[in-house]
Amino acid sequence: SAVISQKPSRDICQRGTSLTIQCQVDSQVTMMFWYRQQPGQSLTLIATANQGSEATYESGFVIDKFPISRPNLTFSTLTVSNMSPEDSSIYLCSAETGALYGYTFGSGTRLTVV
Amino acid sequence: RKEVEQDPGPFNVPEGATVAFNCTYSNSASQSFFWYRQDCRKEPKLLMSVYSSGNEDGRFTAQLNRASQYISLLIRDSKLSDSATYLCVALTGANNLFFGTGTRLTVIP
Repeated sequence: SAVISQKPSRDICQRGTSLTIQCQVDSQVTMMFWYRQQPGQSLTLIATANQGSEATYESGFVIDKFPISRPNLTFSTLTVSNMSPEDSSIYLCSAETGALYGYTFGSGTRLTVV
Repeated sequence: RKEVEQDPGPFNVPEGATVAFNCTYSNSASQSFFWYRQDCRKEPKLLMSVYSSGNEDGRFTAQLNRASQYISLLIRDSKLSDSATYLCVALTGANNLFFGTGTRLTVIP
């Protein structure tokens, strides 16, 4: 199955700053996805990122807060902007990596905003 | 109502036991279903896809009941290494994945 490398694995950030999370897939994928998972809760989709077009955001998430780049078919970044403690969460990227393997996830970024 | 609902548990079972998890989905248009396993502080990993006819992979059996809109996962002969959170996932439309909150399983020696 495909491998998705995600970094950083964790970070502690000051409120008001921004953090960019990177995901690199070892094969070309059409769509990549960004999720947030808060402790004890399910995964919530933030946005879907297609190469060559603007990301599609889910209700409750906006581009100014979570800008996404998708410069090619193997890479994407998510920026968490102007952070507040409420943004503390685990952020995960994902891609569909074939019918056999379903959706593969990066290892996650554990973000703490202080 | 949530798209996918599952009993959060925890399920605490002895080694060797058989345990079953159920999950319901609300959107009858959902076309594909999966069980993912998530270990503590790790990313979810695909355990198995769920097909209409049901499917088995070793000690794991998944069933789909479209009429009742539920999915099940059966684990036989539980191992300590099966301890994890099991996420029920429904795919609706093009790449719209909906995750349940997960069912936590602890297998006790």
